[in-house]
Amino acid sequence: GAVVSQHPSWVICKSGTSVKIECRSLDFQATTMFWYRQFPKQSLMLMATSNEGSKATYEQGVEKDKFLINHASLTLSTLTVTSAHPEDSSFYICSALSGPPDQPQHFGDGTRLSIL
Amino acid sequence: AQTVTQSQPEMSVQEAETVTLSCTYDTSESDYYLFWYKQPPSRQMILVIRQEAYKQQNATENRFSVNFQKAAKSFSLKISDSQLGDAAMYFCAYRSVTGANSKLTFGKGITLSVRP
Repeated sequence: GAVVSQHPSWVICKSGTSVKIECRSLDFQATTMFWYRQFPKQSLMLMATSNEGSKATYEQGVEKDKFLINHASLTLSTLTVTSAHPEDSSFYICSALSGPPDQPQHFGDGTRLSIL
Repeated sequence: AQTVTQSQPEMSVQEAETVTLSCTYDTSESDYYLFWYKQPPSRQMILVIRQEAYKQQNATENRFSVNFQKAAKSFSLKISDSQLGDAAMYFCAYRSVTGANSKLTFGKGITLSVRP
């Protein structure tokens, strides 16, 4: 149980386009979802926290207009990278929390984003 | 704010031997959760072990065990009988008990290699 599906797993697109990444909790309702960015050999950097039906809370230094997060339902959150540029190329990971803090976060398999 | 420190960027262990990965953290809270996550080359985040701060007994999961020293704010991971599949990046993480701060705070991670 507790599966988080993230799609796509790998995307390559041209500079200036927008890219949407989906994160779905398949067998549980996610009260909170998190979006991370990770560079090679580095730790996960939290970008934003989202709760169903409310605006996402962005970490300091993360551009809200560049990284649009929507948490429309208890099983789906999306991250849209708008007007993507090569510096946005990275590995993006979502995770979902099903309940109180004593429950572990469940991670998606990540999306490798390459902007040409 | 809480911080998690993993001071060793890399470690190596001989197959079948035991290795200990260190982690320290800083917090003013008395109750919280600590985690170790494994990230193999596939980059999937895998929960290895979890410890609740109010429990004095060290958590164990098969070959994985922790040495939790609350007063010293130390949370090391011991891997016994190391296997080639243990080669990965390992992250120590902290989570507050309070729901408003349910995000994970990660350390920088340590890359573990296993020598055959």
